[in-house]
Amino acid sequence: GESVGLHLPTLSVQEGDNSIINCAYSNSASDYFIWYKQESGKGPQFIIDIRSNMDKRQGQRVTVLLNKTVKHLSLQIAATQPGDSAVYFCAENGANDYKLSFGAGTTVTVRA
Amino acid sequence: SAVISQKPSRDICQRGTSLTIQCQVDSQVTMMFWYRQQPGQSLTLIATANQGSEATYESGFVIDKFPISRPNLTFSTLTVSNMSPEDSSIYLCSVGPGASQPQHFGDGTRLSIL
Repeated sequence: GESVGLHLPTLSVQEGDNSIINCAYSNSASDYFIWYKQESGKGPQFIIDIRSNMDKRQGQRVTVLLNKTVKHLSLQIAATQPGDSAVYFCAENGANDYKLSFGAGTTVTVRA
Repeated sequence: SAVISQKPSRDICQRGTSLTIQCQVDSQVTMMFWYRQQPGQSLTLIATANQGSEATYESGFVIDKFPISRPNLTFSTLTVSNMSPEDSSIYLCSVGPGASQPQHFGDGTRLSIL
């Protein structure tokens, strides 16, 4: 499949501020996108997903935005907490495709 | 979501040896996958473990190096054969119901080869 990538490898954010993590994808046939959080020593943990027929989806303290025109995906974390420090990955698959392609990952560090 | 257990959680092995990693799920699942995560890198799909038939490997991965078994809908193994230092990675098992559905991951096996 085509690549899914992240714009920035690291993000430092002050506790209490909002975080925005970006992801670019190149496969125009991608129709399902996921954000994962991976803490040290753990496997990736599902955060939120979005299908290509939507441009925004909200969860608890998190919002995913999808811009299909420019093939861009973002994850917004409201009121970032120390427990949000982790590596965040976007992943995607195409229609009827069960295989996920992962982006490079962004390391988020929360400053107290 | 399903609870996924991997064994061992970590190991240090000698080059030339082989290690079998187990993945156990607490419920029957349609799809099981094996990924490799090299140090500081993202996840790369090794293969899809098919119940009752041979695994489907991704480009760059072969059955002789990474034989996979899936005897039932709750269990799979991945063997890393004839290991070299380049095989030092985290190996992750994931499960999912199918296309356009989230996969859920175990905590991985951290493998170091000396």
